[in-house]
Amino acid sequence: QSALTQPRSVSGSPGQSVTISCTGTSGDVGGYKYVSWYQDHPGKGPKLIIYDVTKRPSGVPDRFSGFKSGNTASLTISGLQAEDEGDYYCCSYAGSYVVFGGGTKLTVL
Amino acid sequence: QLQLMQSGAEVKKPGSSVKVSCKASGGTFSSFPISWVRQAPGQGLEWMGGIIPLFGTANYAQNLQGRVTITADESASTVNLELSSLGSEDTAVYYCARDRSPVFEVAVYYYAMDVWGQGTTVTVSS
Repeated sequence: QSALTQPRSVSGSPGQSVTISCTGTSGDVGGYKYVSWYQDHPGKGPKLIIYDVTKRPSGVPDRFSGFKSGNTASLTISGLQAEDEGDYYCCSYAGSYVVFGGGTKLTVL
Repeated sequence: QLQLMQSGAEVKKPGSSVKVSCKASGGTFSSFPISWVRQAPGQGLEWMGGIIPLFGTANYAQNLQGRVTITADESASTVNLELSSLGSEDTAVYYCARDRSPVFEVAVYYYAMDVWGQGTTVTVSS
């Protein structure tokens, strides 16, 4: 049950786009269409922003999009805004259990 | 709108056990999978396990098997987490979280959680 691999940090300027990768194995990311992404602002608790690889819950802006190819999923945030700064975690179903990525700190310059 | 309210902060001695509760109010509870997720200081999220209150069946993370027990009390709309043989590595904020879809609408569980409790800080210290 190893954690999924994410970059420790990414950054971008307001208005730009950034992509966060999430690499797993054929036993998790690559084997299922059940990948989700969470946004975590310190002290606020995680917020679901993407599920089923590409779907957005109601209320999540369409600036957030998800994709998957093989064992790697990705989250793209376009039109960066200051409020997007925070930590982002990917999550995958892995057959009777769930595994998170190590998290990526997004800095909006 | 469903809300999850967790029990208060705990300070425990190494080797002891802790029980954290998560009470649901304002929405449907029993048919939605509930997970426990923890976050150690400066670390990422870790899924500990989950339960479907309607069925009472729980799944656990392999690395915590034997130390973690998740139970549900439908009549009280409450899910409980018990963690035994505590060590300093168990110091963390513990969250309960509900899946966005009920069990009858999805094929798999625990990976898409859209309602979270406020978190419970557990500190393990001698």
